[in-house]
Amino acid sequence: RKEVEQDPGPFNVPEGATVAFNCTYSNSASQSFFWYRQDCRKEPKLLMSVYSSGNEDGRFTAQLNRASQYISLLIRDSKLSDSATYLCVVNMGWRDDKIIFGKGTRLHILP
Amino acid sequence: NAGVTQTPKFQVLKTGQSMTLQCAQDMNHNSMYWYRQDPGMGLRLIYYSASEGTTDKGEVPNGYNVSRLNKREFSLRLESAAPSQTSVYFCASVQGLLQETQYFGPGTRLLVL
Repeated sequence: RKEVEQDPGPFNVPEGATVAFNCTYSNSASQSFFWYRQDCRKEPKLLMSVYSSGNEDGRFTAQLNRASQYISLLIRDSKLSDSATYLCVVNMGWRDDKIIFGKGTRLHILP
Repeated sequence: NAGVTQTPKFQVLKTGQSMTLQCAQDMNHNSMYWYRQDPGMGLRLIYYSASEGTTDKGEVPNGYNVSRLNKREFSLRLESAAPSQTSVYFCASVQGLLQETQYFGPGTRLLVL
């Protein structure tokens, strides 16, 4: 099993729809979890951290399921500006070299 | 604050040439990282520095060297560039508490012919 796995997509979604991505991770001892957003030819930027109890930031909701070892990102009322690649990031231990990036899921919002 | 800056933005090298990629951060962060990003491969860690004066290998260190010149600066050197090193290189920094966010520089696009 790969350390961090994401469906590469692309997800083509009409504007206003709801879309969800999952990301699975292999190490049950993983410590912290994040979703980053990366626009074409730009650097990754933090979208949101993922907390055990789940968390919401406007139209974005992140969930963690430790039992099944996955995290999810839900985007409601999608906007054209949400088109990007979404990277799942998992910190698998208490070392700086254990921050593992998924390969990303591409999202295209269609007008 | 400029955050994380990288130079150059673009570079074309011939096989065998050497060059240094520069990275600097003005956020007083302890930890700094160098990643490469290739299509279909995601971000892979080359080297990291947990604090000034220390460096460690990441997943793909071969062909690279690094220097943590001071707390602000972390450079990546290609001694003898190869076409396989064609990639986009990102520098990142974080305060050092592993729960915190990494901040990325804008990237350096390198083409080795």
